[in-house]
Formats: sequence, structure tokens, C-alpha cells
Amino acid sequence: GAVVSQHPSRVICKSGTSVKIECRSLDFQATTMFWYRQFPKQSLMLMATSNEGSKATYEQGVEKDKFLINHASLTLSTLTVTSAHPEDSSFYICSARSLAGGNTGELFFGEGSRLTVL
Amino acid sequence: AQSVTQLGSHVSVSEGALVLLRCNYSSSVPPYLFWYVQYPNQGLQLLLKYTSAATLVKGINGFEAEFKKSETSFHLTKPSAHMSDAAEYFCAVSDGFNKFYFGSGTKLNVKP
Repeated sequence: GAVVSQHPSRVICKSGTSVKIECRSLDFQATTMFWYRQFPKQSLMLMATSNEGSKATYEQGVEKDKFLINHASLTLSTLTVTSAHPEDSSFYICSARSLAGGNTGELFFGEGSRLTVL
Repeated sequence: AQSVTQLGSHVSVSEGALVLLRCNYSSSVPPYLFWYVQYPNQGLQLLLKYTSAATLVKGINGFEAEFKKSETSFHLTKPSAHMSDAAEYFCAVSDGFNKFYFGSGTKLNVKP
């Protein structure tokens, strides 16, 4: 299947700093990527839809100034957690749908990035 | 609107026993349904998907699921559990556009 890669897989930062997480589709093009947040023992919460060449669409309750998303190319989306605080500590997962899959195509997920804010 | 309910946050079976993970969905349009598996500290891997073709869907690792419209269910089964099946399983529904809605997950424990 298609491969989505996230980097870094783990990051620890101090409170108040910003952290960037990259999501790449390695063998397919993705006009749309999705960013999820997963709290311990909970399901995935969709944070935003990242659209190549345009602004991201954020879900209700997600601060767009806090979680900056950039989708500069068909294979790369980045999530920047700005001025991170301990409550931002979480597992962040990106996903993408292959253009070839059409509307029935499944999402391909990255390995996830565990952010710990001290 | 779409939503997914997974009954049982934890399921424990013995190795070799039947695995049954329950998923019920709500959808205002014909749904696309998926089962994903997640191992610790990893992303999600697709097990199988239903996209309006055969109602009995076979996936990887011996898993299968049956779409039952009358029951709005898409339960995941495997005839014989293996230790390597221990993981968390998520059911998801899509309206065919970009949004996926995930259930709360079911953690499967396999006892030797």
C-alpha cells in the first residue's frame, strides 16, 4: 500500500517553544492530508484538513493560530505547534488519501509523532 | 452526519478462539466503512474496507467483516486469534468525501 511518513516520531520540548511535525506521502500524491490528535486511551480526533496550495480547514474547537498547518506540495504537509504547553502533549497522526483511490480510497496513516511538552 | 459506536473498549480472548469486535454506524448517506488496527506508538493500518460491493469483506491477517444494512453494523471477526493480533482496533465511517469518523477503539488482548 501507499506509504505516509512522519517526522519526528518523538519530540520533547520546553514549554513556550514551537515544534514542527512533517508528514510526507512517499509514493503517491495527496492534494489533501489530515491531521489527527489522539489522547491516551481515546480515539482519533480530526484537527484539520490540509489542502495543497490553500489554507487548512480546521475543525471546531481547534485553534488555527496554535496549530499552524502548511501544505506546500502534493507530498508534504507540516503541523507546527506554536508556543507549546504541557496540555499540547499528545500523539499526532497525519493521514492522506491517494488520488488514485477516489472517494472510496482509504486513508493511509503516518507512524505518528509523540509530543511531550515539559 | 456520520458516527461510529464500538461496543466494548476491551475484549479479551484466548489464543485460537474466535475474535468478534463490534461496530455500529450511523450515516445519512450510503457509507464507506473501514477497520484499522493500531499497534503501540504507531499509526493506523488498514485491515479492510467496505465500499458498496460485496457485503462480506475479507481483509489482511485473516480478518473479515460483514456489512449489515438492516442492523447498521460492520462487525470484525477472525476465526482463530493469534498472539500477534493483540492491538487496538478502530472502526471508521466515511461519507465518501474527505472526512472519516472513528469509533472510540477496542483493545484486543489475546491470552496464551
